[in-house]
Amino acid sequence: QVQLVQSGAEVKKPGASVKVSCKASAYSFTGYYMHWVRQAPGQGLEWMGWINPNSGGTNYAQKFQGRVTMTRDTSISTAYMELSRVKSDDTAVYYCSRGDVGDFMVWGRGTLVTVSS
Amino acid sequence: SYELTQPLSVSVALGQTARITCGGNNIGSKNVHWYQQKPGQAPVLVIYRDSNRPSGIPERFSGSNSGNTATLTISRAQAGDEAAYYCQVWDSSTVVFGGGTKLTVL
Repeated sequence: QVQLVQSGAEVKKPGASVKVSCKASAYSFTGYYMHWVRQAPGQGLEWMGWINPNSGGTNYAQKFQGRVTMTRDTSISTAYMELSRVKSDDTAVYYCSRGDVGDFMVWGRGTLVTVSS
Repeated sequence: SYELTQPLSVSVALGQTARITCGGNNIGSKNVHWYQQKPGQAPVLVIYRDSNRPSGIPERFSGSNSGNTATLTISRAQAGDEAAYYCQVWDSSTVVFGGGTKLTVL
């Protein structure tokens, strides 16, 4: 079945970078945009941006521009989200989600990123 | 930037009908999608493009969208419907989520 498998939990110190991966299976990886959404503890969903796996083109939410980089490796059907200069309020669960016709039908299970000194 | 407003919480008696609203400027001109999220789990799409149910979502879930308000309606509410619900739209090539509504089934 269609699946997005994300990398494991990370603990980072303030100022470091974190890179989360999202491996797609059972569908054409280059046929759908991949989005990244995060959720801080006890908070709502926050969209971070998307990557077009076919072209590599990206669109980032203004809040994250300059700090986030989304990439992909089509040979292994994997998307990546790297967040730099992390702070304590970047502590959150980070989800990848396949973009369908405006909605998000398929989600990864999430990757907990903890930023702590 | 575009904003979506949801009530923080909604309560419904078991077996009754719950309505969760999502307010936005002329939201009726946009496609609205709704997600259910239970603690510790990823969101699940329950309504797409205002009023369509994905496969596997009970008919008890329905949606509407007009003017400045979109509404998710859950009929015959069950204990298992207790969750957070989020609305979502696209605006100017960006994705916008509502703040979320915690549904409590009494």
